[in-house]
Amino acid sequence: DQQVKQNSPSLSVQEGRISILNCDYTNSMFDYFLWYKKYPAEGPTFLISISSIKDKNEDGRFTVFLNKSAKHLSLHIVPSQPGDSAVYFCAAENSGGSNYKLTFGKGTLLTVNP
Amino acid sequence: KAGVTQTPRYLIKTRGQQVTLSCSPISGHRSVSWYQQTPGQGLQFLFEYFSETQRNKGNFPGRFSGRQFSNSRSEMNVSTLELGDSALYLCASSSPSGYNEQFFGPGTRLTVL
Repeated sequence: DQQVKQNSPSLSVQEGRISILNCDYTNSMFDYFLWYKKYPAEGPTFLISISSIKDKNEDGRFTVFLNKSAKHLSLHIVPSQPGDSAVYFCAAENSGGSNYKLTFGKGTLLTVNP
Repeated sequence: KAGVTQTPRYLIKTRGQQVTLSCSPISGHRSVSWYQQTPGQGLQFLFEYFSETQRNKGNFPGRFSGRQFSNSRSEMNVSTLELGDSALYLCASSSPSGYNEQFFGPGTRLTVL
């Protein structure tokens, strides 16, 4: 049972344009969401997060939007740069629970073309 | 502050052997989690340790085990290796306060022949 889903395995955008990566979740107990970026042969790097009490969080070129009613979040990268090419993972947790783990999606490979 | 370190970075074993992987968390972090990453499967949670206690375990067979030491360093062990155990094994640590923002090491690439 996949509780966090990233339905697009890959996405290709032109440099300078907006990249939008999507993530859906099914567990209504999730209340904290994170995005990680991963280059080949490296561990994932934390990018940005959002708590369920917010619907938007912004950090430079990266903005995460959360739609709790739809159980959907998205990561916007504006403007996209070739160095953003990587696999992006969405993750979620129940911060008030006792399972102490992040549940990850399968990732979306973003390619930004010069 | 030094990041999460994992050793070794690469490992080649044969079926039936066992392997031990090591992880040193960020200084001050007491929670250590382990994940398995295989192509197309994302990151699958193995287990999490805090203060030498396993607090949660994922859906992996008993061949996968781990432990944490008093200095928060952690090891995971896989016994009787199978071809399907070939994967990138990632360790992550997090601060005891606040949300569970996990910081990952570079991983150990295990190849089982």
